[in-house]
Amino acid sequence: GQNIDQPTEMTATEGAIVQINCTYQTSGFNGLFWYQQHAGEAPTFLSYNVLDGLEEKGRFSSFLSRSKGYSYLLLKELQMKDSASYLCAVREADSWGKFQFGAGTQVVVTP
Amino acid sequence: DAMVIQNPRYQVTQFGKPVTLSCSQTLNHNVMYWYQQKSSQAPKLLFHYYDKDFNNEADTPDNFQSRRPNTSFCFLDIRSPGLGDAAMYLCATSRGQSSNQPQHFGDGTRLSIL
Repeated sequence: GQNIDQPTEMTATEGAIVQINCTYQTSGFNGLFWYQQHAGEAPTFLSYNVLDGLEEKGRFSSFLSRSKGYSYLLLKELQMKDSASYLCAVREADSWGKFQFGAGTQVVVTP
Repeated sequence: DAMVIQNPRYQVTQFGKPVTLSCSQTLNHNVMYWYQQKSSQAPKLLFHYYDKDFNNEADTPDNFQSRRPNTSFCFLDIRSPGLGDAAMYLCATSRGQSSNQPQHFGDGTRLSIL
């Protein structure tokens, strides 16, 4: 089984930077994914890491350290529309690739 | 555009009255998943299909069943919904055995139980 932990909520100001941490304990690992989920909507894919290091996609970056079981999602130049829940998900290293999700971090962006 | 489509977006049913939620995909992905998500919680995997192979999570209630008549369609049947089954139900697809491929989610069906 797997445990995925991330903070429940974070608040930041428009234009600022926020870092959402995710730690995981797994019996197998085949990639870590970050999703954004607005209230009442489906999760949408943001980024993916399978090797250690930083992946940058515009205002969003994601970092992975496999030896530490740790990832973070960095949101830069925050906009009001970034207010959402951010889900960390780990894909298991089994034959079909089961995804395990964290409970999500609610990011609140204030003016 | 290729996508995952869930119908309906909102479903209201009565306590104990069977309900079916549907999902279709145009991505030709071989894995399809059903998740249950309650407020402020992680999506909880109910079951998945890898092609025609069905896999039930150990803690999925017997009340929940699924059908996948072909690659494109998958159904979630709740035989006797209880109040605790009110939730958002998410359908997702992915390519199996491809580690760099994310899941693609439908918009979800929000189920309410009267």
